[in-house]
Amino acid sequence: AQSVAQPEDQVNVAEGNPLTVKCTYSVSGNPYLFWYVQYPNRGLQFLLKYITGDNLVKGSYGFEAEFNKSQTSFHLKKPSALVSDSALYFCAVRLAWGDSWGKLQFGAGTQVVVTP
Amino acid sequence: GAVVSQHPSWVICKSGTSVKIECRSLDFQATTMFWYRQFPKQSLMLMATSNEGSKATYEQGVEKDKFLINHASLTLSTLTVTSAHPEDSSFYICSASKRIQETQYFGPGTRLLVL
Repeated sequence: AQSVAQPEDQVNVAEGNPLTVKCTYSVSGNPYLFWYVQYPNRGLQFLLKYITGDNLVKGSYGFEAEFNKSQTSFHLKKPSALVSDSALYFCAVRLAWGDSWGKLQFGAGTQVVVTP
Repeated sequence: GAVVSQHPSWVICKSGTSVKIECRSLDFQATTMFWYRQFPKQSLMLMATSNEGSKATYEQGVEKDKFLINHASLTLSTLTVTSAHPEDSSFYICSASKRIQETQYFGPGTRLLVL
């Protein structure tokens, strides 16, 4: 079965400090991994994806994620967090088997709180 | 690019009535659209996948007669909650992709409250 796990329910960081949101995956074959962000009462905004190629993927709003095959991780990072980055972040893997092909399996989400 | 809209953004209805939610891809043609449901502080639960011109495929446990999905064009999918009950109150989010294997872009969501 393919899945992603976000081990932290919440991450607290001070503005200006580095932000890391963790995600680990379990897939058979090549993983297609995504990060989305959700602001209160809004839909999800696409941040970035890893399909193939460079392990360091750069995305929107200064975010980047590092694909690590040996650790089966796809952590989201931002060098300097902003208060406006406070939101709910979802990691997702695109399923690639049977009737589920093409669907996204989401992690539980990590609430990021950036304090001034 | 890749903008998806939903209408309405929120709706309050009486128990027993039907509610229609629209999902539109504004600047691209979406072969596939997905409908999700999200409970407070929880992840997204996929309800169904709709492909333009064909019947939607529903996830296990989702009543297809209660949640009617139509994907009549490459830019519009609708979700109709029939005979709504208070337990149907939730945040409904759609997403659209050019093809099923491509990136999903999400709408802003529709909050439904059934009284």
